[in-house]
Amino acid sequence: DQQVKQNSPSLSVQEGRISILNCDYTNSMFDYFLWYKKYPAEGPTFLISISSIKDKNEDGRFTVFLNKSAKHLSLHIVPSQPGDSAVYFCARRGSGSEKLVFGKGTKLTVNP
Amino acid sequence: DGGITQSPKYLFRKEGQNVTLSCEQNLNHDAMYWYRQDPGQGLRLIYYSQIVNDFQKGDIAEGYSVSREKKESFPLTVTSAQKNPTAFYLCASTIGAGNQPQHFGDGTRLSIL
Repeated sequence: DQQVKQNSPSLSVQEGRISILNCDYTNSMFDYFLWYKKYPAEGPTFLISISSIKDKNEDGRFTVFLNKSAKHLSLHIVPSQPGDSAVYFCARRGSGSEKLVFGKGTKLTVNP
Repeated sequence: DGGITQSPKYLFRKEGQNVTLSCEQNLNHDAMYWYRQDPGQGLRLIYYSQIVNDFQKGDIAEGYSVSREKKESFPLTVTSAQKNPTAFYLCASTIGAGNQPQHFGDGTRLSIL
C-alpha cells in the first residue's frame, strides 16, 4: 500500500519557467510533509517542508502547497534553473511517528 | 563541519557473506535510520533507532541487522539471508523531536560479485 504517490516519473521544463512537481497521499493521518532533491550517487538533500496546519510554505524559489481536501501536495520551482535537474522525492511523516514514507520520485530536467 | 559519513562509497560482496555498512554522524542527533533505494523506487525503511541501545524494524528488515551502541554510530549488516542485497543504501539522522527533517549521508552502493 503505497501511501505517497508521485504519478509522474519525469518532467522536462525550459530554464526560467515554472516546474511543478506533484504528490498525492492516501491517508489523512499525516502531520508533516517534506520534499527532497537527489542527484545520482548522492544522498537526498532536504528542500522544504510543510505542516498539515498550513496550506503554503515558501523558501526562495521553492514553494510547497498542501491541499488537504484533495490530499495533494505540490512543489513549485520558479524560475527553474539547469542546476535544479535532479530526482525529487516527496515524503510524509505520520502523527506520533518519526518514520518517513517516500514516494518513488520524479526526475526533473531543466533545459538551458 | 557536522554531517553524516557513510563508508565505503562502493562495496562488493560475495554470495553467502555478511557485510557491514558504516554510518557515523557528528550532528548530535538522537534518531538514525537506514534506507534502501532500488532503481525507479523510492526509499524504503530498513531499520531505525530513536535512542542508544534501542532500534526498531522498518518495512523491509528481513535479512538485515543493526546495532546502536553509541549515539554517533548506526552500522547496518547485510546478512547472507538477504536474497537481493544489490542496492544503494542510505543512512539518515534527525534530532528526533518536533518537525525536523532527516539529513542523509551520501550512500553506499552494494554489489554482489
